Amino acid sequence: GAVVSQHPSRVICKSGTSVKIECRSLDFQATTMFWYRQFPKKSLMLMATSNEGSKATYEQGVEKDKFLINHASLTLSTLTVTSAHPEDSSFYICSAGGGEVNEQFFGPGTRLTVL
Amino acid sequence: QKEVEQNSGPLSVPEGAIASLNCTYSDRGSQSFFWYRQYSGKSPELIMSIYSNGDKEDGRFTAQLNKASQYVSLLIRDSQPSDSATYLCAVNRPGGGADGLTFGKGTHLIIQP
Repeated sequence: GAVVSQHPSRVICKSGTSVKIECRSLDFQATTMFWYRQFPKKSLMLMATSNEGSKATYEQGVEKDKFLINHASLTLSTLTVTSAHPEDSSFYICSAGGGEVNEQFFGPGTRLTVL
Repeated sequence: QKEVEQNSGPLSVPEGAIASLNCTYSDRGSQSFFWYRQYSGKSPELIMSIYSNGDKEDGRFTAQLNKASQYVSLLIRDSQPSDSATYLCAVNRPGGGADGLTFGKGTHLIIQP
C-alpha cells in the first residue's frame, strides 16, 4: 500500500498560536488526500478532503478559516490549525489512496496539545 | 447522518480461537468496505478491503459482506495476543470523485494468552 508520512509527530503549543502539520505521500502522487481528527476513545472523523490545485472540501461543522488546508503538490498536503485553543487538542491523521478503489492509507498521525 | 455501527466491546477471545467482529452501516449507496486495526496511540492500519457480497480471505483474516443486510464482518482465525487492538470498520461516502471514509467507533479486541 501507499506510504504516507506526517510531520511533526507531536506538538505542544500555547493557546492562540498556529500549528502547521505536513502530510506527504512518499511513493506515489496523490491528487486527493484526507484529513481526519480523533479525540480520545472516539473514532476518526473526516475533517476535509484535500484536492491538489484546488480548494479543500470541508465536512459540516469544520471551520475552513480555522483549519487551513493547502495541497500545493501531488505529494504534499498541509493542515494549519490557526489560533489554536485547548479544545483543538486531538490526534490529527492524514490519509491518501493508492491501492484499490477508495482504499486509504494513513500517516502516523500528529498529536496536538494546546495549553 | 450516515452511520457505521460497531459493538465497542471489549471482546475477549482466548488465544487460538476465532474472533468475530461485526459492523452495520446505514448508507445503501456505499460500495467500499474496510477493516482497519488501530493500536493504542497509533494510526489505523488497513487490514482488509471488500467490495462485493460474500467472503474474502487473506491469511488469517476473512471479511464478509452482505449488502442486502448492510452488514460487514471480520473473522480472525488462530487469534494471537498481538491481534489485541481496536478494529475499525469503515465505509466509503459516495459523492463523486475520491471518497472520504465514515468510521465506526471500533471494537476493542483482547486476545487472552
